[in-house]
Amino acid sequence: DTAVSQTPKYLVTQMGNDKSIKCEQNLGHDTMYWYKQDSKKFLKIMFSYNNKELIINETVPNRFSPKSPDKAHLNLHINSLELGDSAVYFCASSWGVGETQYFGPGTRLLVL
Amino acid sequence: EDQVTQSPEALRLQEGESSSLNCSYTVSGLRGLFWYRQDPGKGPEFLFTLYSAGEEKEKERLKATLTKKESFLHITAPKPEDSATYLCAGGGYSTLTFGKGTMLLVSP
Repeated sequence: DTAVSQTPKYLVTQMGNDKSIKCEQNLGHDTMYWYKQDSKKFLKIMFSYNNKELIINETVPNRFSPKSPDKAHLNLHINSLELGDSAVYFCASSWGVGETQYFGPGTRLLVL
Repeated sequence: EDQVTQSPEALRLQEGESSSLNCSYTVSGLRGLFWYRQDPGKGPEFLFTLYSAGEEKEKERLKATLTKKESFLHITAPKPEDSATYLCAGGGYSTLTFGKGTMLLVSP
């Protein structure tokens, strides 16, 4: 059973396109996150949702919009993709804020 | 601003050669210090959480320790399958702040 799953695993697209990444967790956790891992492997928080409410919104361009339809899902929509958006995006979940987080397998986004 | 610094950036060991990875942190209201392992092309895999200075946790060849300013991940008699990037993270009021990781390569 996959605890935190993401789709798609790979995403190759052209500059200017709009794309979405989906995340689902079956751990019953209340809090979900999106991270960006750049080419230097640095993992940085983008957004955090607790019980479907946004609690963290780091300095991320407005082109990125998270949506949480329910506690088990947190999707990431990206408008007008730019070259610099190329990275690996990880979803994670935890029981509460600041507690142990469990990560998905990542979505590798390449913008051409 | 919360900060987590890991050293060294990369470490190459011979199989059986024990060593330690360092994580120094400045995190407001630290709720826990976390260690993760990340294999190439995969998401970080949870290893340990340490909550207070003096605490130690062990798992197979790994032992994590915590002081008020640092955490260490000791690797005893490593094997090639221990090769991975090890990430340290400080849990603050709102989320985890990650270090840049230590890339460990264990040669047979």
